[in-house]
Amino acid sequence: DAGVIQSPRHEVTEMGQEVTLRCKPISGHNSLFWYRQTMMRGLELLIYFNNNVPIDDSGMPEDRFSAKMPNASFSTLKIQPSEPRDSAVYFCASSSHLQGSGNTIYFGEGSWLTVV
Amino acid sequence: AQSVTQLDSQVPVFEEAPVELRCNYSSSVSVYLFWYVQYPNQGLQLLLKYLSGSTLVKGINGFEAEFNKSQTSFHLRKPSVHISDTAEYFCAVSKIQGAQKLVFGQGTRLTINP
Repeated sequence: DAGVIQSPRHEVTEMGQEVTLRCKPISGHNSLFWYRQTMMRGLELLIYFNNNVPIDDSGMPEDRFSAKMPNASFSTLKIQPSEPRDSAVYFCASSSHLQGSGNTIYFGEGSWLTVV
Repeated sequence: AQSVTQLDSQVPVFEEAPVELRCNYSSSVSVYLFWYVQYPNQGLQLLLKYLSGSTLVKGINGFEAEFNKSQTSFHLRKPSVHISDTAEYFCAVSKIQGAQKLVFGQGTRLTINP
């Protein structure tokens, strides 16, 4: 079975440019998560969706960040304009959400973003 | 809110030696507990999880963890490590009721020396 698929795997962009990260969750999963990993702050939850609806975006750092999930099989995380401090690894993850079931959350391989 | 503290940022051990990676959590509600492993330049992979029942949980690659409710701990152990266990290990919790999102500790880098 295909896991969570993220693209691009690596991106280097100049400050001020728009960055779009893409994610395809595991088929049949109805929860999707975007995490960011940095040396300083570790793993932070940015936003998560249940059934394509954003449930909690309190982790989104500022208005430059936005996330969408137009359908059950696709999500994007956009940064506009990008800044050097946005350099990080961005992980997408998905799970089959049944409240109280403790279902496993599966992670993609990450998108490694460098903003210069 | 939940929080997770991994007491050691780095743990060096010799190959075939036992290892314990420590994890303590804080939560006002009941939680599920997880350990994930991250190999270099890869995503996170689930090692094991505690949902209920026996407090000793066995996972992949010979790892196990013990849930201790009174000490709010969930330490990860392996009796004999291999070079291939070199990775970053993350402890995480999620609420049983409500949002399923994971809250992670800062990670412990396990380095295996030959």
